[in-house]
Amino acid sequence: NAGVMQNPRHLVRRRGQEARLRCSPMKGHSHVYWYRQLPEEGLKFMVYLQKENIIDESGMPKERFSAEFPKEGPSILRIQQVVRGDSAAYFCASSPSGRSAINNSPLHFGNGTRLTVT
Amino acid sequence: DAKTTQPTSMDCAEGRAANLPCNHSTISGNEYVYWYRQIHSQGPQYIIHGLKNNETNEMASLIITEDRKSSTLILPHATLRDTAVYYCIVRSPTGANSKLTFGKGITLSVRP
Repeated sequence: NAGVMQNPRHLVRRRGQEARLRCSPMKGHSHVYWYRQLPEEGLKFMVYLQKENIIDESGMPKERFSAEFPKEGPSILRIQQVVRGDSAAYFCASSPSGRSAINNSPLHFGNGTRLTVT
Repeated sequence: DAKTTQPTSMDCAEGRAANLPCNHSTISGNEYVYWYRQIHSQGPQYIIHGLKNNETNEMASLIITEDRKSSTLILPHATLRDTAVYYCIVRSPTGANSKLTFGKGITLSVRP
C-alpha cells in the first residue's frame, strides 16, 4: 500500500519564481489537507480540499497561494512569486471519504516538500 | 487554536513505559482525541485515536478519563527511535472542522 506521495522532496526556487508542490493521496482517499511548517515552528493548517472542491481555506495566505484537487491527478499547491519567507516544509495529508470517514478515520501524512527560496 | 495543553518536554529510559499526559478540558461530546508524532523533520505519523473508551494498538495505548477532560498516551516499552515531538489533538469528526490543529506538542527524549 503506497502512502501519501509528495514530490518533489526538495525544491529550490529564486525569489519571484513559481513553486508547484504535488500530493498524491493514498488509494481510495478523496480528502486532502495541506500544512506548512516554518523552520523551528509548528505545523500550520493551510487548506482542506475534496475532489474539485475547496472545503476550508482559512489558513491560506490571501495572495500568491492557491490549491486545487482535480478530478484526475494529484493535488497541487501553487505559490506564485515566491519570497524568502515561503521557505518551509509543506506537508500533505489525506483521508478517506464515505463510510470510513463517518468513523473518523485518521489523516495520513506524506514526508513533505522542503521549499528553499534563494 | 489548539484545544489541548501538554507539558513542553519529558524524558524516559529506554525499555521503560513513557506516559504522555494531555489536558483537553473544553472537549465537546463528538470530538475525538488524536495522537500524532513527528520524528525529526519527517511527516507527522498517526499513532492512535479515541472517543470515550480506552484504545490500544501495536504502537501505543490511549487512556481517556471518564469525564474526557484529559488523556494519557502510553508507549509501553520506549526505544531510542521513539524520540520525537508528540501531539495531542482534539478533532471534530466531519465537515470543515475535521482538520487537525497542531499545538506545540511534547518533546519526548528517550535516553539509553
